[in-house]
Amino acid sequence: AQSVAQPEDQVNVAEGNPLTVKCTYSVSGNPYLFWYVQYPNRGLQFLLKYITGDNLVKGSYGFEAEFNKSQTSFHLKKPSALVSDSALYFCAVRDRRNGGFKTIFGAGTRLFVKA
Amino acid sequence: EPEVTQTPSHQVTQMGQEVILRCVPISNHLYFYWYRQILGQKVEFLVSFYNNEISEKSEIFDDQFSVERPDGSNFTLKIRSTKLEDSAMYFCASLYGTGELFFGEGSRLTVL
Repeated sequence: AQSVAQPEDQVNVAEGNPLTVKCTYSVSGNPYLFWYVQYPNRGLQFLLKYITGDNLVKGSYGFEAEFNKSQTSFHLKKPSALVSDSALYFCAVRDRRNGGFKTIFGAGTRLFVKA
Repeated sequence: EPEVTQTPSHQVTQMGQEVILRCVPISNHLYFYWYRQILGQKVEFLVSFYNNEISEKSEIFDDQFSVERPDGSNFTLKIRSTKLEDSAMYFCASLYGTGELFFGEGSRLTVL
């Protein structure tokens, strides 16, 4: 079975400071890992993914994430937060061996960036 | 840029009524999904669909739910007899291969 944990319901950061949103996962095989962002009353928008290759992946809006296999983590980071980054962030995992291609989402972390 | 479209954006229905939510996935995608989100909280997997059949479903997806791809473009979710607890945002998503899901903007279902 696959699962995703986002240990923080909410992260508060001042504009211009670095931000980290944490994610750990559990799958029986090797994972595909994703981050999505959701703004109020909108659908989920893709930010970045880890499929294979370099453990550090870069995505939209200056976000990046590092795949750490030994710690089964995929934390989302940004060097300098913007007020407009305030949103709900979801980490997601898909087991490579899952023929149904089911993607499972974490509970979400609400990011507040204060001016 | 291609996108997933969903209709209606908001539907209000009485408990016990049937509801059909519609989705047009991205045209060359092969895998289709429905997810549910209650009150802006967790995004819950309902069902995945590939090659004109359900490939996987969750425990939420009971006999009251069904999915169909009646033609080459539409992908529908039917709830036969709605309950109060079915009130949620329902998201359709599609996938081409090993990459990311593409989501629609959602259909908000309110059951009274």
